[in-house]
Amino acid sequence: AQTVTQSQPEMSVQEAETVTLSCTYDTSESDYYLFWYKQPPSRQMILVIRQEAYKQQNATENRFSVNFQKAAKSFSLKISDSQLGDAAMYFCAYRWLGTGNQFYFGTGTSLTVIP
Amino acid sequence: DTGVSQDPRHKITKRGQNVTFRCDPISEHNRLYWYRQTLGQGPEFLTYFQNEAQLEKSRLLSDRFSAERPKGSFSTLEIQRTEQGDSAMYLCASSPEVGREGGDTQYFGPGTRLTVL
Repeated sequence: AQTVTQSQPEMSVQEAETVTLSCTYDTSESDYYLFWYKQPPSRQMILVIRQEAYKQQNATENRFSVNFQKAAKSFSLKISDSQLGDAAMYFCAYRWLGTGNQFYFGTGTSLTVIP
Repeated sequence: DTGVSQDPRHKITKRGQNVTFRCDPISEHNRLYWYRQTLGQGPEFLTYFQNEAQLEKSRLLSDRFSAERPKGSFSTLEIQRTEQGDSAMYLCASSPEVGREGGDTQYFGPGTRLTVL
């Protein structure tokens, strides 16, 4: 069974600093996608970044980057130059290419940005 | 592209009543998903449609829950005889077909928050 674990329920970062959110997952499959979604308070989930498991190069989207360690089944999110608008719940998600289509989500990390 | 929309945004009901939620996916997306999210948890998969066909259902989807997507566009999720344990955020997401740009990603709506008294 696929499981996604986010071991940090809460994190905080000073504005303009860098923070890393952790995610590990369990799967026996080799072809899958990993995602980080952001859910601001009372607002909808927004895709932050995605990574294809077959790509060794870590994905990057502006201030957001990932450290994908396939052998370790680890997928951390680094936010550089943190901004107040980055404050939100962050969810790590896994999707196997071979199954119907569902995503498996972690329990989330609540990120606070301190001015 | 107006995004995924859901209606209502909030619903308060008494235990035992039936409720129905609606989801309108992004117009060109043929795949639609329902998730349930309780406080402090990530979304949990409920069901999946490809066009009008319901292809997957989670074990979480008890016989009190039913979902439809009759014309392959909007979808409804109905909960019969609601229980307090049904209180949650119900999220809808959509995706374009496999192989198209964005086909591996799900785009979420704002959710419907259900409170069962």
